[in-house]
Amino acid sequence: GQGVEQPDNLMSVEGTFARVNCTYSTSGFNGLSWYQQREGHAPVFLSYVVLDGLKDSGHFSTFLSRSNGYSYLLLTELQIKDSASYLCAVRDAGGRALIFGTGTTVSVSP
Amino acid sequence: EAAVTQSPRNKVAVTGGKVTLSCNQTNNHNNMYWYRQDTGHGLRLIHYSYGAGSTEKGDIPDGYKASRPSQENFSLILELATPSQTSVYFCASGDVGYEQYFGPGTRLTVL
Repeated sequence: GQGVEQPDNLMSVEGTFARVNCTYSTSGFNGLSWYQQREGHAPVFLSYVVLDGLKDSGHFSTFLSRSNGYSYLLLTELQIKDSASYLCAVRDAGGRALIFGTGTTVSVSP
Repeated sequence: EAAVTQSPRNKVAVTGGKVTLSCNQTNNHNNMYWYRQDTGHGLRLIHYSYGAGSTEKGDIPDGYKASRPSQENFSLILELATPSQTSVYFCASGDVGYEQYFGPGTRLTVL
């Protein structure tokens, strides 16, 4: 069946980096999005990838391997305020909507 | 800036009662979506719409109806609310499927 999988939690230290992994299995593929969701707030769009490789957007970078059904979001030079849940979402071949993973909670400590 | 609002923000309902959640967007987006978010399940699509007058079933439509009377408004209706529908509900809009703008959410508790 279709699914998007993410680890539940990830802990890191201010000033370092965190890599949030996402694996997916869908009927067709029309791109993958990353969203940030702070506790008690709505998800906010961060990035979209549809081609293989690394997409560098400064503080956030995203990588995609379509053949492996795998993506990651790389957060560099972490700040305390980067503590949040990061959601991976895949558009299937129909492209009608997004299939979300359960999210990875990133905790950044001083 | 894109704006999606939801009302009410919090709602307590009784089992068997009718609940209507409202969503308004000022983005002039054609597509609108209703999700629920539960611990361990993430965001799950309930209903969506491609424009005024249209509604489509998402992944978990049972027990829910939707209405899109205009470009700006999209409602989610629970005709007979059950405790299993206790959740946080998010409305979103977006013309490009991968980038959606979410409302602040409605916390619904069904007793």
